[in-house]
Amino acid sequence: DADVTQTPRNRITKTGKRIMLECSQTKGHDRMYWYRQDPGLGLRLIYYSFDVKDINKGEISDGYSVSRQAQAKFSLSLESAIPNQTALYFCATSDSGTSGRNKDEQFFGPGTRLTVL
Amino acid sequence: AQSVSQHNHHVILSEAASLELGCNYSYGGTVNLFWYVQYPGQHLQLLLKYFSGDPLVKGIKGFEAEFIKSKFSFNLRKPSVQWSDTAEYFCAVNIAAGNKLTFGGGTRVLVKP
Repeated sequence: DADVTQTPRNRITKTGKRIMLECSQTKGHDRMYWYRQDPGLGLRLIYYSFDVKDINKGEISDGYSVSRQAQAKFSLSLESAIPNQTALYFCATSDSGTSGRNKDEQFFGPGTRLTVL
Repeated sequence: AQSVSQHNHHVILSEAASLELGCNYSYGGTVNLFWYVQYPGQHLQLLLKYFSGDPLVKGIKGFEAEFIKSKFSFNLRKPSVQWSDTAEYFCAVNIAAGNKLTFGGGTRVLVKP
């Protein structure tokens, strides 16, 4: 969905380096999420934010941090990258203000493929 | 906490064959159910969703899913697949009062021409 963009799309880095992945959205949604995808494990939630002042840990937050710089921007940082953080990372958004049928639908960005050597 | 199981990790079938992908979840309360598809090299797209009402849900591209509450299942079906249905399919669940999706491990579907 072009309304949710992620940069970079691909990144190769070395163990110990600090990495930031960025997500921007033009959908006007208040809720944003970061997931990682690993083969056979589906998508797992790293962090989520229900508004600019609200940050919550997901199921696998260790080794990651996030920043919600504005309603439209949500960045994910790896403070000191390690090889088992090699994965495909997705940002997603949803809108708490829509009516019931659409409220819980999440819209995904194109993903960032991160390789940690 | 809820969990989601997709029992088939890989499915290979020929064009025009019927497809059924299983999805079971573990949570006793009210849930919202989703199927997402990820075509090769692309991001996740919503195929269909169930919130309430008719348990047989129709989605895009000829897909449908049936919610069977007594079996905690939400299986995805398509009567006749095409080569372009080659993708990975993810079932996802969230508790009606919350807003966090829990995903299954995904099923890779390969449709041979």
